[in-house]
Amino acid sequence: GAVVSQHPSWVICKSGTSVKIECRSLDFQATTMFWYRQFPKQSLMLMATSNEGSKATYEQGVEKDKFLINHASLTLSTLTVTSAHPEDSSFYICSAQSALSYEQYFGPGTRLTVT
Amino acid sequence: AQTVTQSQPEMSVQEAETVTLSCTYDTSESNYYLFWYKQPPSRQMILVIRQEAYKQQNATENRFSVNFQKAAKSFSLKISDSQLGDTAMYFCAFMKPAGNEKLTFGTGTRLTIIP
Repeated sequence: GAVVSQHPSWVICKSGTSVKIECRSLDFQATTMFWYRQFPKQSLMLMATSNEGSKATYEQGVEKDKFLINHASLTLSTLTVTSAHPEDSSFYICSAQSALSYEQYFGPGTRLTVT
Repeated sequence: AQTVTQSQPEMSVQEAETVTLSCTYDTSESNYYLFWYKQPPSRQMILVIRQEAYKQQNATENRFSVNFQKAAKSFSLKISDSQLGDTAMYFCAFMKPAGNEKLTFGTGTRLTIIP
């Protein structure tokens, strides 16, 4: 089946620094990738949609200058949290979708803790 | 905009019993997809079952089945012969197939299987 990986699975960073999270589709080409944020005991909130080679589309209320998304290849998308603050601490999940199917395949998530 | 409602924040059931999780949605679209995802303590999102709105027959996957009532905009999940491994958060999700197919998630139901 389709496999999506995320790296790192857990990261701790200091307030004011930036952190990059990678999302990779391992056995298929992902024309579209999605980034979600999930707070404890809550649902997934879509942050942005990215298509390979073009700018990401951000959901209302998501700061595009704070959450930089790059989808440089058909197998890799990155989310960079810039100048992180404690309120950015959360669980970040990516999903990937191929041009051949409407299904989204989810990565295992990244837990970000900002101290 | 589409909305997905899960009215049962928490449920519990004895092992081997049957449990039904409810989901309602609101849309003006005639063609769409519905999903049930499972998120165990590992937090990996796992697709349980999917239903295409144009199909009248209810989807089934082993012990999991849905009751899709299009006119009522209802999409419930039935888990038969429940097992301890079914303990998880369950999210109902809606997708409109048009370009970048975004998923709209419900708030989730926390299901606990009691041994």
